[in-house]
Amino acid sequence: QQQVKQSPQSLIVQKGGISIINCAYENTAFDYFPWYQQFPGKGPALLIAIRPDVSEKKEGRFTISFNKSAKQFSLHIMDSQPGDSATYFCAASSGGTSYGKLTFGQGTILTVHP
Amino acid sequence: GAGVSQTPSNKVTEKGKYVELRCDPISGHTALYWYRQSLGQGPEFLIYFQGTGAADDSGLPNDRFFAVRPEGSVSTLKIQRTERGDSAVYLCASSFRDSNTDTQYFGPGTRLTVL
Repeated sequence: QQQVKQSPQSLIVQKGGISIINCAYENTAFDYFPWYQQFPGKGPALLIAIRPDVSEKKEGRFTISFNKSAKQFSLHIMDSQPGDSATYFCAASSGGTSYGKLTFGQGTILTVHP
Repeated sequence: GAGVSQTPSNKVTEKGKYVELRCDPISGHTALYWYRQSLGQGPEFLIYFQGTGAADDSGLPNDRFFAVRPEGSVSTLKIQRTERGDSAVYLCASSFRDSNTDTQYFGPGTRLTVL
């Protein structure tokens, strides 16, 4: 059962543009939503994360928008740079007995053209 | 400081063989996770340790897979009678605590190829 659906699979933007990646989840027990960035040959690295008690979180050029009623969240990358070219994964986890077990989306390959 | 390290970085084996994959977590991290990442997919949870004990092994695909963390630090993922479908990148992550909001730091992974 795929619990976190991510789109698009790939995204091409021009330098300076806005990159938007969307995720939808099914499990209402999820209460922590991180985004990870992965470069080829490397492990995923945490980019930014949000809890469902807020609708938006911004860190530098990266913003998460969260819609609890729709069970959707998205990552916005402002002023996209070629160095942002990587694969991005949304993820979700719940507290309680699931501890930190992360459920990942399928990933979005972002290419930023100079 | 040093991050999560995994050895070997690449492992090529033949179908039916036994393999061991090692993970060295960040010093002081009590929680350790194993994930498997197939080509073009997101990581999939395998097993989670809090200290020496496996707190959740619900993601292990079958009994050919086993993991240990005998001293609460280094962990080894063991795969018996490997199959071609086991080919993937095996990722290890660690976090300071087992709170779901603690950042998980991932290693670079071990790429396993079963011929």
